[in-house]
Amino acid sequence: GESVGLHLPTLSVQEGDNSIINCAYSNSASDYFIWYKQESGKGPQFIIDIRSNMDKRQGQRVTVLLNKTVKHLSLQIAATQPGDSAVYFCAENFAGGTSYGKLTFGQGTILTVHP
Amino acid sequence: DAGVIQSPRHEVTEMGQEVTLRCKPISGHNSLFWYRQTMMRGLELLIYFNNNVPIDDSGMPEDRFSAKMPNASFSTLKIQPSEPRDSAVYFCASNIFGGGRDTEAFFGQGTRLTVV
Repeated sequence: GESVGLHLPTLSVQEGDNSIINCAYSNSASDYFIWYKQESGKGPQFIIDIRSNMDKRQGQRVTVLLNKTVKHLSLQIAATQPGDSAVYFCAENFAGGTSYGKLTFGQGTILTVHP
Repeated sequence: DAGVIQSPRHEVTEMGQEVTLRCKPISGHNSLFWYRQTMMRGLELLIYFNNNVPIDDSGMPEDRFSAKMPNASFSTLKIQPSEPRDSAVYFCASNIFGGGRDTEAFFGQGTRLTVV
């Protein structure tokens, strides 16, 4: 029979534009929220994280915003470049108990940057 | 450091055969994770170890799956017997838990498993 796969959200932007990738999370007890980038044929790569008691954190060309009221996380990429084309995953980390850095990943968003 | 090293990169096997996937974590890392990635289910955590001890294997789909970490520099994920629905990309990741960078896991390149 025909297999039904995940229908990942997609975002297409032009080079130089700013990109915003969104994620809804479920566990209010998570201590950290993280963004990972996965390029084709490679494993996920850490981009940036934000602690649950923060609202905003900035990195190089990236900003993560956390809205705990509506359980929403976003990743903003400034001046998007073709090399930013990848699948972006949000992840949650609950450091309590014996989680030992266990990460739970969301389904991912496909970002395509057109030159 | 060469990063997390997984082998083989690609594996094609027949249904019913035993498959062993291998992982060498980054030296000095004390946590190791096995993930499976499919179009159907996304990125799923199968099992993870801390200081070579299995902490949570609740993500292991069936008894056909087993994982070991005999020492700090080596882990295996075994599927016996393999089935077509096990076809996926299997990732190994490692990090330092308790070192202030608990959220930054380093992933290997993955093993693409195809069971025919």
